[in-house]
Amino acid sequence: GQNIDQPTEMTATEGAIVQINCTYQTSGFNGLFWYQQHAGEAPTFLSYNVLDGLEEKGRFSSFLSRSKGYSYLLLKELQMKDSASYLCAVEDGGSQGNLIFGKGTKLSVKP
Amino acid sequence: DSGVTQTPKHLITATGQRVTLRCSPRSGDLSVYWYQQSLDQGLQFLIQYYNGEERAKGNILERFSAQQFPDLHSELNLSSLELGDSALYFCASSSQAPPGTEAFFGQGTRLTVV
Repeated sequence: GQNIDQPTEMTATEGAIVQINCTYQTSGFNGLFWYQQHAGEAPTFLSYNVLDGLEEKGRFSSFLSRSKGYSYLLLKELQMKDSASYLCAVEDGGSQGNLIFGKGTKLSVKP
Repeated sequence: DSGVTQTPKHLITATGQRVTLRCSPRSGDLSVYWYQQSLDQGLQFLIQYYNGEERAKGNILERFSAQQFPDLHSELNLSSLELGDSALYFCASSSQAPPGTEAFFGQGTRLTVV
């Protein structure tokens, strides 16, 4: 079946680094996305990985290992505004356009 | 602002009723996606259209239907509504067909069925 797992909640301190993990088991794979969603708002795109390795974009980095079905999102120099849910999503290879989302990790950044 | 417009923002209706949610994609985007987000389920993919044609289908109930019009806006029709249909419904658009295409989400329509 299709399954994407990520921790439900995490807490970190302003200025610190946090890593949010995501493991997936899907019938197909066309890439993995990370989205940020503030409460009651629309998800916004953070990153996309389709090949193994690390993609860096400012304070945010995302890593993918296809053989392990594993990804992580790394947030550096945490700011209060980074308090949000972080959604891991896999694009189903069998049905292009079908993004399978995890339930999200709610990150709370404390002063 | 993502450039994707959804109307209405809020909708309250009774069980058994039918509603239509509307989405205008970003200018030039050909792909439109619909998602449902409920508290316990997370974001669930419903359906995708590309340039007027259905491209991919997820866990969309038979009571739900959608279409994309020649001007590329899309509508999601929900009928015989049940309490469990209460959720946030998001529309997203992208400039081309997947894979790997970044999707831009609208602000969502919050549907409450009473």
